[in-house]
Amino acid sequence: SSELTQPPSESVSPGQTARITCSGDALAKKYAYWYQQLSGQAPVLVIYEDNKRPSGIPERFSASTSGTMATLTISGAQVEDEADYYCYSTDISGNHLFGGGTKLTVL
Amino acid sequence: EVQLVESGGGLVEPGGSLRLSCVASGFTFSNDWMNWVRQAPGKGLEWVGRIKSKDDGETADYAAPVEGRFTISRDDSKNTLYLQMNSLKIEDTAVYYCSTVLYWGPGTQVTVSS
Repeated sequence: SSELTQPPSESVSPGQTARITCSGDALAKKYAYWYQQLSGQAPVLVIYEDNKRPSGIPERFSASTSGTMATLTISGAQVEDEADYYCYSTDISGNHLFGGGTKLTVL
Repeated sequence: EVQLVESGGGLVEPGGSLRLSCVASGFTFSNDWMNWVRQAPGKGLEWVGRIKSKDDGETADYAAPVEGRFTISRDDSKNTLYLQMNSLKIEDTAVYYCSTVLYWGPGTQVTVSS
């Protein structure tokens, strides 16, 4: 299907590992990208091309893709990582897809 | 420093028109494919459309909800991206962002209401 599915929310304690999943047929053939959106701010790219980290993004952010599932991992989550996270990809028809977003709570 | 700054948002009645602009600086604008993405109040991100670079044909693609009503264009001499929005609907109310894959502007609010 031409959509990306994310869980609406995840919760993690500070210092623990947070994992956010994104599933969709597009991910089997196209790259996954991950954006972090802090409250009231524009999105920030934290992962591109499945598992690459842009300059300035902390090493605790990593990601992987297997088949039709992409996973964003935040190792040692910090309070400042509390945000909405969106996966993004394109499908073979050229449609641009955002997941519905996952609200990560760190407390 | 890379900057994308949107402008042109505001309040418009249903059926009206609005043109958004996005001025880019700090990178080679002419080389990049540019996107418009929107976010309705309390909702997630929604891709609106994209325009390729001139070298890649400067063609634009649109999401189904805006196809035929919105037009994306660019003026590389002014490092500016545009979004012409016609026949606006209440459901077009959102913050509109211009973006490359990496860089995003702060957004501009568009409210469609009578």
